[in-house]
Amino acid sequence: NAGVTQTPKFQVLKTGQSMTLQCAQDMNHNSMYWYRQDPGMGLRLIYYSASEGTTDKGEVPNGYNVSRLNKREFSLRLESAAPSQTSVYFCASSSSRVSYEQYFGPGTRLTVT
Amino acid sequence: EDKVVQSPLSLVVHEGDTVTLNCSYEVTNFRSLLWYKQEKKAPTFLFMLTSSGIEKKSGRLSSILDKKELFSILNITATQTGDSAVYLCAVGGDTDKLIFGTGTRLQVFP
Repeated sequence: NAGVTQTPKFQVLKTGQSMTLQCAQDMNHNSMYWYRQDPGMGLRLIYYSASEGTTDKGEVPNGYNVSRLNKREFSLRLESAAPSQTSVYFCASSSSRVSYEQYFGPGTRLTVT
Repeated sequence: EDKVVQSPLSLVVHEGDTVTLNCSYEVTNFRSLLWYKQEKKAPTFLFMLTSSGIEKKSGRLSSILDKKELFSILNITATQTGDSAVYLCAVGGDTDKLIFGTGTRLQVFP
């Protein structure tokens, strides 16, 4: 039982490049989330998916797109990376609206130069 | 606007000390408050509180919620160097989303 997995662990991009961060969970959870964490800012929600086939914007969605490919997988895409997107990205999942216990993946450290 | 405020921002103590971390919140239609511990990588779940006045306890860690005054505290007794981490408070309201505070950084020195 791997829980929540993310790839890649580290990535360096040049300004304007694109990339997709992958996330998968094997806990049969309905809800999945993408956060970014910056020093002094805590965890900020980028996008979330309450169930397969639905996605909604969080607090900081600009510059990102997401896809809930199936119940297990939720990907985050940066179409044209900017230095302001340098951050650590975490994916998380939770079973339902009733339970807010979210399980986090190990994170992706992204640097945009 | 929903918000979660944690205090202090950082704390430095010696092993054996007892610490209290605070979390206050303003969230529409409160449902739950969660505490997480974050060491070098991903946050790991500690407690979820939904009812006032009921203490949750796990070893040397305990937490309680006051829904009238809109805050929670996390106590750690007999601190150890392994308790050094950032402690995050998060609150769930009307939706599936959690609102996170910026965290309290705890450093425990031998």
